[in-house]
Amino acid sequence: DARVTQTPRHKVTEMGQEVTMRCQPILGHNTVFWYRQTMMQGLELLAYFRNRAPLDDSGMPKDRFSAEMPDATLATLKIQPSEPRDSAVYFCASGFHKAGWNEQFFGPGTRLTVL
Amino acid sequence: GNSVTQMEGPVTLSEEAFLTINCTYTATGYPSLFWYVQYPGEGLQLLLKATKADDKGSNKGFEATYRKETTSFHLEKGSVQVSDSAVYFCALCVGDQGAQKLVFGQGTRLTINP
Repeated sequence: DARVTQTPRHKVTEMGQEVTMRCQPILGHNTVFWYRQTMMQGLELLAYFRNRAPLDDSGMPKDRFSAEMPDATLATLKIQPSEPRDSAVYFCASGFHKAGWNEQFFGPGTRLTVL
Repeated sequence: GNSVTQMEGPVTLSEEAFLTINCTYTATGYPSLFWYVQYPGEGLQLLLKATKADDKGSNKGFEATYRKETTSFHLEKGSVQVSDSAVYFCALCVGDQGAQKLVFGQGTRLTINP
């Protein structure tokens, strides 16, 4: 049963610290998305990649957030320095792009708390 | 711009009640429409979808019909179960085939009491 995995599942850190979240997409999927979910803003798309190349990162605060795909099996989202307003659940999703719609498969999320 | 508006929750129903969660959208062009469900502590899962006007998506007893004239995609189920308790998200897909993105509504929390 192929699934998107995310680590860590929970992270508590202090303001100013660097945070790295990792995602392993489903094998064979060529598109990876990063979302952030908060009570106030709901679900927001931060960035997404196709074939490891960034297609759109317009939803991501550029000054402190960065997203990369070092290889096809790993996507990372980094926050440096972290701030309390970054507290949220961060979801990774993957899919295989083809003509027409491709379903997005979500991971379980990383719950980040910045004190 | 592109946006999705869902009825505000939380929604609380008794088991076997009829469910409707309203969803309306604003989009340029002809979007595809989706309902995703999020169970406690989990990520979102695709529940159903419709890709063109008058299409009906269905899964697990849930249905939604793509209504272009009213720009709506309301979710319905005839008889809900306790296991349907979750947060439901309406979404649309925009962009050309090279740059498809999902735009989500704010989510509607559903609680079913036995």
